[in-house]
Amino acid sequence: ELKVEQNPLFLSMQEGKNYTIYCNYSTTSDRLYWYRQDPGKSLESLFVLLSNGAVKQEGRLMASLDTKARLSTLHITAAVHDLSATYFCAVDPGTASKLTFGTGTRLQVTL
Amino acid sequence: NAGVMQNPRHLVRRRGQEARLRCSPMKGHSHVYWYRQLPEEGLKFMVYLQKENIIDESGMPKERFSAEFPKEGPSILRIQQVVRGDSAAYFCASSPRVQETQYFGPGTRLLVL
Repeated sequence: ELKVEQNPLFLSMQEGKNYTIYCNYSTTSDRLYWYRQDPGKSLESLFVLLSNGAVKQEGRLMASLDTKARLSTLHITAAVHDLSATYFCAVDPGTASKLTFGTGTRLQVTL
Repeated sequence: NAGVMQNPRHLVRRRGQEARLRCSPMKGHSHVYWYRQLPEEGLKFMVYLQKENIIDESGMPKERFSAEFPKEGPSILRIQQVVRGDSAAYFCASSPRVQETQYFGPGTRLLVL
């Protein structure tokens, strides 16, 4: 059974600081997604990473994928309050497209 | 292009009643997925459907839960004889083709009293 773990589960950081969220998964996959969820809202697609070494950046967020280590990272640069949300990674094991989600990282950026 | 639509957004049911959750995928999307999110948890896959076919229902509880995606109309997730443990947010997602990005709807928050 595919397991996806994120850490930390909760992250409080000050505006302007940098930090990284980690996503580890247990079986081979070459397709990984990052989503953002605001409280009481739906999930917003941030990135899809399709191959080993893939790196994507959007604004202050940068995601990378290392399929050999079964690890993805979401790096936050110079955090701002608007980035406060819960971030999920999700893995597609390559069969039938069902996603297995991580536990989520709740990010709180303080002023 | 309208996004994934779900209704109702909030649903309150008493134990033993039935809950019907509807999902209209994005235009041009023929793949629909249902996920359940319990409070403070990640999403758990329930079922994957294409038009008139259930492709993967490995995440669906064996009893009381069913899903369909008819040729015409929205996908329906049906929960019979609801229990308090069914209280959760149910999200529908759609994609245009298999193994492409899934776009999520706003969710239906089910509360069982």
